[in-house]
Amino acid sequence: AQSVTQLDSHVSVSEGTPVLLRCNYSSSYSPSLFWYVQHPNKGLQLLLKYTSAATLVKGINGFEAEFKKSETSFHLTKPSAHMSDAAEYFCVVSEGGKLIFGQGTELSVKP
Amino acid sequence: DTGVSQNPRHKITKRGQNVTFRCDPISEHNRLYWYRQTLGQGPEFLTYFQNEAQLEKSRLLSDRFSAERPKGSFSTLEIQRTEQGDSAMYLCASSRGTGGRTGANVLTFGAGSRLTVL
Repeated sequence: AQSVTQLDSHVSVSEGTPVLLRCNYSSSYSPSLFWYVQHPNKGLQLLLKYTSAATLVKGINGFEAEFKKSETSFHLTKPSAHMSDAAEYFCVVSEGGKLIFGQGTELSVKP
Repeated sequence: DTGVSQNPRHKITKRGQNVTFRCDPISEHNRLYWYRQTLGQGPEFLTYFQNEAQLEKSRLLSDRFSAERPKGSFSTLEIQRTEQGDSAMYLCASSRGTGGRTGANVLTFGAGSRLTVL
């Protein structure tokens, strides 16, 4: 079975500093991986997806993620945090026809 | 198209009552998913449909839960004899699925239906 582990339940950064949200995956074959974001009282929104093309994937709002097979990781980064980035972020793996979500990382951005 | 629509947005019920949630997917999407999310957790898969066929159900979906998509368009999720442990956000999503049971789906989620069981 596929799974993802988000290594931090909460990350706090200052506005303008880099963001790193860590995710490791477990898969018996080359996985499809995603990052979704959930703002308070809003629906889940797709940030980016990896489907075995380029290992560095660019998403919306300046986020990107790098697929590293040797490390079984798919970490999410952003060079400079903005206050509006404060939200819950989910690393997700595709299994068959469905998506399996990680536990989430809450990102706080301090002014 | 206004995206995935879920109703009601909030439902408060007493233990033992039945509740039903409705999901209207994006019209051209043939796959529809139900997830459950409790506070501080990631969404948990419950079930999904391709057109009107229910292709997979999670072990989480006990006998008290039933989902239908009779005409391959909207779907309903019914919970019978609700328990306090059923309190959660119930999320619906839809996608353009590929043929068969595989495919890297991109799911579009609705805002969810929040259930509180007293």
